[in-house]
Amino acid sequence: DGGITQSPKYLFRKEGQNVTLSCEQNLNHDAMYWYRQDPGQGLRLIYYSQIVNDFQKGDIAEGYSVSREKKESFPLTVTSAQKNPTAFYLCASKQQQGSNNEQFFGPGTRLTVL
Amino acid sequence: DQQVKQNSPSLSVQEGRISILNCDYTNSMFDYFLWYKKYPAEGPTFLISISSIKDKNEDGRFTVFLNKSAKHLSLHIVPSQPGDSAVYFCAATTTSGTYKYIFGTGTRLKVLA
Repeated sequence: DGGITQSPKYLFRKEGQNVTLSCEQNLNHDAMYWYRQDPGQGLRLIYYSQIVNDFQKGDIAEGYSVSREKKESFPLTVTSAQKNPTAFYLCASKQQQGSNNEQFFGPGTRLTVL
Repeated sequence: DQQVKQNSPSLSVQEGRISILNCDYTNSMFDYFLWYKKYPAEGPTFLISISSIKDKNEDGRFTVFLNKSAKHLSLHIVPSQPGDSAVYFCAATTTSGTYKYIFGTGTRLKVLA
């Protein structure tokens, strides 16, 4: 079965700690994305990567970091510099070339900072 | 600056009736638009899309209409079913460039049985 997996589903972190959220896809998609969703707000783009070993900042990249060492993996690290990290985090992927294919989303990780 | 706006945070509709969800955008460079459906604590799932070369796209009970001059799109669900109750996001992108999607803030649809 092809798809996107995110782990864990729920994550708790103490203030001041870094934490890494996992995102893996076996869809052979070129592009991958990280969003966060807060109550009453849309999906805001944190980082995206169009190809392995390359990534760009989205609209709210401060306090986050990513890597794209493999095509199928795009982990997101929430650092202690992120002022308000409690949110629902969504990973997505997309076929970059060809027709206007949609982004496929993972099930999300809810991060709570205690 | 909110480039994609969904001005109605919520909508309630009787089962069997039509649901109309609206979305406005400001960037005239957007040429591809999508609607996603999202249940709580889950990732969004793709519903339907439309290219700017069309003004209508239909898929079963779902139809998306695009009015480029008004920079407005709408999603029609007919007939509405209780299982359609969810949050609906519209998204816009340009097909040249970065393929970034800009999402609206969502409309929560409640279909009443």
